[in-house]
Amino acid sequence: EIILTQSPGTLSLSPGERAALSCRASESVCSRCVGWYQQKPGQAPRLLIYDKSSRATGIPDRFSGSGSGTDFTLSISSLEPEDFAVYYCQQYGSSPWTFGQGTKVEI
Amino acid sequence: QLQLQESGPGLVKPSETLSLTCTVSGGSINSNRYYWGWIRQSPGKGLEWIGTIYYTGSAYYNPSLKSRVSISLDTSKNQFSLKLNSVTAADTALYYCAREFRTMIVVVYDYWGQGTLVTVSS
Repeated sequence: EIILTQSPGTLSLSPGERAALSCRASESVCSRCVGWYQQKPGQAPRLLIYDKSSRATGIPDRFSGSGSGTDFTLSISSLEPEDFAVYYCQQYGSSPWTFGQGTKVEI
Repeated sequence: QLQLQESGPGLVKPSETLSLTCTVSGGSINSNRYYWGWIRQSPGKGLEWIGTIYYTGSAYYNPSLKSRVSISLDTSKNQFSLKLNSVTAADTALYYCAREFRTMIVVVYDYWGQGTLVTVSS
């Protein structure tokens, strides 16, 4: 199975700053085969990005996805207070679908 | 608004069978537009895809669990269910049901239940 490694484990930033979260795959994944989720304490994950850069319903355009091959990035252009959470990448290029271990974005 | 709700025992004994049900409201599972999946989350293994079922009854499982898992659906009740047998402490996790959105390329989870904690312990 494809292993996804996210870095950094924790990202300490301030509101208004830009965040770049990395997701590295153990083997090449199709460029459209990565999604991103946000999870807040006590809540289920929430789909943010799929098809590499398509935003899910209701997701603001400060969230964007990019990457290819084995390296993918979730960018948040200007952090809002509600963006401080844990973020997960997921690949669906090869079954079984797998998730990264998460990056926590903290204030 | 689509809603999913997991239900089932919160405590299962080792070697027994874990059984959970997901009740879907606000939409029908008897639709060719979506698939329905189970995902679990634990501190040790993070998020792990367990398996998926389509309205036809066709099911797909994570190979790591395939020998122990079964997913079925009851369209009359708008529910789908998970059974995981021969459980051990490693199966202790928060179990989510979710709607799986698929295209020719995409497989993501756009609606999730709130999750139900299952602990395996004697």
